[in-house]
Amino acid sequence: EPEVTQTPSHQVTQMGQEVILRCVPISNHLYFYWYRQILGQKVEFLVSFYNNEISEKSEIFDDQFSVERPDGSNFTLKIRSTKLEDSAMYFCASSGGAEANEQFFGPGTRLTVL
Amino acid sequence: RKEVEQDPGPFNVPEGATVAFNCTYSNSASQSFFWYRQDCRKEPKLLMSVYSSGNEDGRFTAQLNRASQYISLLIRDSKLSDSATYLCVTCEGGYQKVTFGIGTKLQVIP
Repeated sequence: EPEVTQTPSHQVTQMGQEVILRCVPISNHLYFYWYRQILGQKVEFLVSFYNNEISEKSEIFDDQFSVERPDGSNFTLKIRSTKLEDSAMYFCASSGGAEANEQFFGPGTRLTVL
Repeated sequence: RKEVEQDPGPFNVPEGATVAFNCTYSNSASQSFFWYRQDCRKEPKLLMSVYSSGNEDGRFTAQLNRASQYISLLIRDSKLSDSATYLCVTCEGGYQKVTFGIGTKLQVIP
């Protein structure tokens, strides 16, 4: 069964550093998403991406964040100048296949900012 | 103001019990509604979509009341494997703006 994959599973970084979180969506999907979940809190929408551009973003997704689809398979989230409060689980999701309503989530990347 | 509100629980129920979760949403522009399940430290997984006419999938029944902006999930004959957090999710604008509730934690006890 096709699945969304994410790398790395855990990223530790120093405050102020840049990180890139990587995702490989399901191959025939058209919509891509990033979410974050701070420990013990709700899943928060960051951004959606369609047709090589951002289609929607939340107030969390400020200039510190950017997304890119550098090739036909990868979808990345870049966080510049990380802060302690960026520590969270980051989930990538994709949708738009036969089950158009369903977003399939990757296993997540746990980001720890020290 | 919270956009999707859920009782975080936990709901502790014995095996075989029937349990119901509720969710209210504040965004009247919401167009699509879902229940997701999230196991501890895992990713959310779609349990079922929610329609105004109500829908059932085995032991699970979901209902939507657009007038009251209220969504429900009923689980019959609870299994130990149903233990998880159940997330209420709304979408606006063709699945682009997605809002999750905090989730309701269910613990099914032997």
